Amino acid sequence: GQQVMQIPQYQHVQEGEDFTTYCNSSTTLSNIQWYKQRPGGHPVFLIQLVKSGEVKKQKRLTFQFGEAKKNSSLHITATQTTDVGTYFCAGPGTASKLTFGTGTRLQVML
Amino acid sequence: SQTIHQWPATLVQPVGSPLSLECTVEGTSNPNLYWYRQAAGRGLQLLFYSVGIGQISSEVPQNLSASRPQDRQFILSSKKLLLSDSGFYLCAWSRGWTYEQYFGPGTRLTVT
Repeated sequence: GQQVMQIPQYQHVQEGEDFTTYCNSSTTLSNIQWYKQRPGGHPVFLIQLVKSGEVKKQKRLTFQFGEAKKNSSLHITATQTTDVGTYFCAGPGTASKLTFGTGTRLQVML
Repeated sequence: SQTIHQWPATLVQPVGSPLSLECTVEGTSNPNLYWYRQAAGRGLQLLFYSVGIGQISSEVPQNLSASRPQDRQFILSSKKLLLSDSGFYLCAWSRGWTYEQYFGPGTRLTVT
């Protein structure tokens, strides 16, 4: 079945440093979605990318969808403590469900 | 706007006891509904999904079951809980299977 892997699994950064998480699917995706889950909270939808090579920005967050539509990345510039959490990518798998990635847990140190 | 409710927020149950978790969605019709479980510090495990009333697809064979008695109501049940059923249970809805999902606040279940 479809697998979606994310690297790294964990990342500790100093506040102000940049952060990137990578998402790789075993199959071509019609779209890629990104979610953020704060500690103790539930996943919250951030953004969806649809087109090959698409790049979208949300303030300090930059999302990219690969040309082959099998990989994606999330880059955070100048991390802040509010960025702490686990970031998941997800893509449509077999009918009626998304396949979520393994997640990257970000810890920001002061 | 759409909202999704889950209750209870936390639950402590003894091994062998029954379970019923309820999820309801407001502000939309005929949503796709999903139940996930998340172990501490881990990813999301899809348990069940439903594309309509009475239509349930199971992803992981186990002692849990799901039902959708109404269009915007999704229920997760067990007749006898196991220790391994402990976790964070999340309900989610979407407009369709390729669309983004919106999660409820979740239920933290501890089986003792």
